[in-house]
Amino acid sequence: QQQVKQSPQSLIVQKGGISIINCAYENTAFDYFPWYQQFPGKGPALLIAIRPDVSEKKEGRFTISFNKSAKQFSLHIMDSQPGDSATYFCAARHAGNMLTFGGGTRLMVKP
Amino acid sequence: NAGVMQNPRHLVRRRGQEARLRCSPMKGHSHVYWYRQLPEEGLKFMVYLQKENIIDESGMPKERFSAEFPKEGPSILRIQQVVRGDSAAYFCASSLDFYSGNTIYFGEGSWLTVV
Repeated sequence: QQQVKQSPQSLIVQKGGISIINCAYENTAFDYFPWYQQFPGKGPALLIAIRPDVSEKKEGRFTISFNKSAKQFSLHIMDSQPGDSATYFCAARHAGNMLTFGGGTRLMVKP
Repeated sequence: NAGVMQNPRHLVRRRGQEARLRCSPMKGHSHVYWYRQLPEEGLKFMVYLQKENIIDESGMPKERFSAEFPKEGPSILRIQQVVRGDSAAYFCASSLDFYSGNTIYFGEGSWLTVV
């Protein structure tokens, strides 16, 4: 019940295209849903986050869409750039401040 | 502002040795979390500590692993008698307090290789 399932595992997008990564969860007690970006050899960096009382949040080229009834949320990267090539993790926070992470999506943006 | 500082960044240990990983949280942060990332996998929660207290260690293996966050000094994750399966990246994160834990900042990680 604590799992967060993320798809796809890998994604190749042309420069300028839209990258879409999806996550699904079961535990309705999750109350905060962040996305992290991780480059090789580096720690995860917070990209954008949303609470379940909001259906969409946009920051620059990054948008989170949240569907509470379906228990799904997704990250959209508009106008994808080669510099966006990284591994992206969705996560969900539950009691005690712990984050449960999805399995990650390795994004490659081709020039 | 210095971020979450972890050292060593890379550590090689032979099977049976001990590994000690250190984490200094962001300035003013009193909550520390340790996560483990196996190759090609997501991060898995291990332990949540406040100064001198373990709040939640539900993700810690029952044996060989321990963590502390003393009143003075960094948080330490200690792995005794390491085995090959302990090879992973260990990430420390910190937050200001429980309520601002919405923003949890991660360090650059410590990569442990057991040979």
